[in-house]
Amino acid sequence: GQSLEQPSEVTAVEGAIVQINCTYQTSGFYGLSWYQQHDGGAPTFLSYNGLDGLEETGRFSSFLSRSDSYGYLLLQELQMKDSASYFCAVNNGQNFVFGPGTRLSVLP
Amino acid sequence: DTGVSQDPRHKITKRGQNVTFRCDPISEHNRLYWYRQTLGQGPEFLTYFQNEAQLEKSRLLSDRFSAERPKGSFSTLEIQRTEQGDSAMYLCASRGLIPGLTASTDTQYFGPGTRLTVL
Repeated sequence: GQSLEQPSEVTAVEGAIVQINCTYQTSGFYGLSWYQQHDGGAPTFLSYNGLDGLEETGRFSSFLSRSDSYGYLLLQELQMKDSASYFCAVNNGQNFVFGPGTRLSVLP
Repeated sequence: DTGVSQDPRHKITKRGQNVTFRCDPISEHNRLYWYRQTLGQGPEFLTYFQNEAQLEKSRLLSDRFSAERPKGSFSTLEIQRTEQGDSAMYLCASRGLIPGLTASTDTQYFGPGTRLTVL
């Protein structure tokens, strides 16, 4: 089967750092991506890991450990506009499998 | 605006009717995906095109669903004899590099989606 697991909800305050974890079990693996989706909007690409290690893009970083089938998205200096749903997605070589999403609420 | 457009943005139909959605991807991208998303869930893969060839189709896609990409540019998704369970957001995404902007070929650019409500 193909499955990804993420926490359903995370809450943090403005200025804080939050980590959203993703574990996956898929028939193939060619990379892990992260997407942000605001209510009523479409998913937008945030970050990608094809190899083990940390990728940094501004306030967002993403990490991958292929041996552990695990990755995370790190959001720093949280802002109110970061309140959204975050999805991890695996490219399994045939298509993309998305996780159920983590709803992040940023409090003032 | 990602450069991917979808039409219509909203569709309300009665059970049993046929509906067709259109997606116009980023012109430089030869790969196009259709997804379905219900409230509180992640996008669920439906089908995938490379140019005009439909290379992958989800087992979840019943015979009532069909998709085409006749000239390798825009794509259509048709649902025949709609059911209330078909109510969802239908997302289209094109995949590829945009020189100077894209980190990887895994990057997908999603359109705004078509929200289907079947009464």
